Amino acid sequence: GAVVSQHPSRVICKSGTSVKIECRSLDFQATTMFWYRQFPKKSLMLMATSNEGSKATYEQGVEKDKFLINHASLTLSTLTVTSAHPEDSSFYICSASGSGRGGTDTQYFGPGTRLTVL
Amino acid sequence: QKEVEQNSGPLSVPEGAIASLNCTYSDRGSQSFFWYRQYSGKSPELIMSIYSNGDKEDGRFTAQLNKASQYVSLLIRDSQPSDSATYLCAVNNNAGNMLTFGGGTRLMVKP
Repeated sequence: GAVVSQHPSRVICKSGTSVKIECRSLDFQATTMFWYRQFPKKSLMLMATSNEGSKATYEQGVEKDKFLINHASLTLSTLTVTSAHPEDSSFYICSASGSGRGGTDTQYFGPGTRLTVL
Repeated sequence: QKEVEQNSGPLSVPEGAIASLNCTYSDRGSQSFFWYRQYSGKSPELIMSIYSNGDKEDGRFTAQLNKASQYVSLLIRDSQPSDSATYLCAVNNNAGNMLTFGGGTRLMVKP
């Protein structure tokens, strides 16, 4: 149990376009989902936290109008990178916590999405 | 600022040895502690969680928690080359299920 999927796993886009990344909890209800980004050889950086049916809470320095997060159901959250630029190229990883096999505070990670903006 | 500290490594151990990974945290109110493994280019995967002082064993892995010393560790017995990865310590400060991650320790198990 406690499986989280992400789609797409890899995306290449042109500068100025928008990219949507989906995060799904496959076998449990995710009351909270988290979005991270990670640059090569660097630590995970939390971007935002979203609770089902509520607006996302963004970390300091993360532009909410650029990184749109929607958590419309207990199994799906989406991150849309709007007007992407090369500096947005990174590894985006979602995680989910809820009624999984672990405690409700255990985060299970998706496999990540590697975004490359040309 | 709530911090989680780990030695970045690399920690190099021979195959079959015990690897000991350490983590300290600053927030005394922390309640939940997690160890994740992250292979290069992949996302973190949960190894185990620990909530109470003492040891918790799961296969070759043992997590140890000492809240008085604000210290949590992970022991890997009979280390294998496939254990070579970055190990992330994470702490829940009861702030809406958010985790504070350490920078990770890179482990290298040499055949």
